[in-house]
Amino acid sequence: GENVEQHPSTLSVQEGDSAVIKCTYSDSASNYFPWYKQELGKGPQLIIDIRSNVGEKKDQRIAVTLNKTAKHFSLHITETQPEDSAVYFCAASKSYKLIFGSGTRLLVRP
Amino acid sequence: EAGVVQSPRYKIIEKKQPVAFWCNPISGHNTLYWYLQNLGQGPELLIRYENEEAVDDSQLPKDRFSAERLKGVDSTLKIQPAELGDSAVYLCASSYRDPGEQFFGPGTRLTVL
Repeated sequence: GENVEQHPSTLSVQEGDSAVIKCTYSDSASNYFPWYKQELGKGPQLIIDIRSNVGEKKDQRIAVTLNKTAKHFSLHITETQPEDSAVYFCAASKSYKLIFGSGTRLLVRP
Repeated sequence: EAGVVQSPRYKIIEKKQPVAFWCNPISGHNTLYWYLQNLGQGPELLIRYENEEAVDDSQLPKDRFSAERLKGVDSTLKIQPAELGDSAVYLCASSYRDPGEQFFGPGTRLTVL
């Protein structure tokens, strides 16, 4: 079955710097790759997603890139702000079943 | 638009006791999911419903876990009897179509003593 690995497990950046989180997946048939943000005491919230027919997608300060050949996808956050501090999860799926990575705890230092 | 509602938010029970979690999905969402999230891990799917039918319960430990979705709206997840290892956050999610964006509720944090 699908396996998703996520790195790093923790990431600390200075406010205004960029943050990059990377994921790899094992099932080449996966075609949908969402990223979720989870704040303390809340459920995960979708922040951006990408499908396998697209190599890059951007939404304001957030961008996701996908390399299907290498089975890698990454989340890029530019101009980080303290409110970006949270746990971020990547996921991969080929249907309805999302397989999540283990999460990255991002801390943005003011 | 109201999001996915779950209750209770927190539950503390002793092992071997039963426990139940309730979920009300976003109005109009036919697909409902229950996930288990262990500390420091991503969510793992337990069961998926299409309307009132459980179409994927392959990850649900059926010896102690059960779920139902009467009338294709609200859903209940039950554990009987609870074990120490069941301590986790139980998340409910819903989507308008399948596959589609999944909207998560805040979860129920279960502690089994």
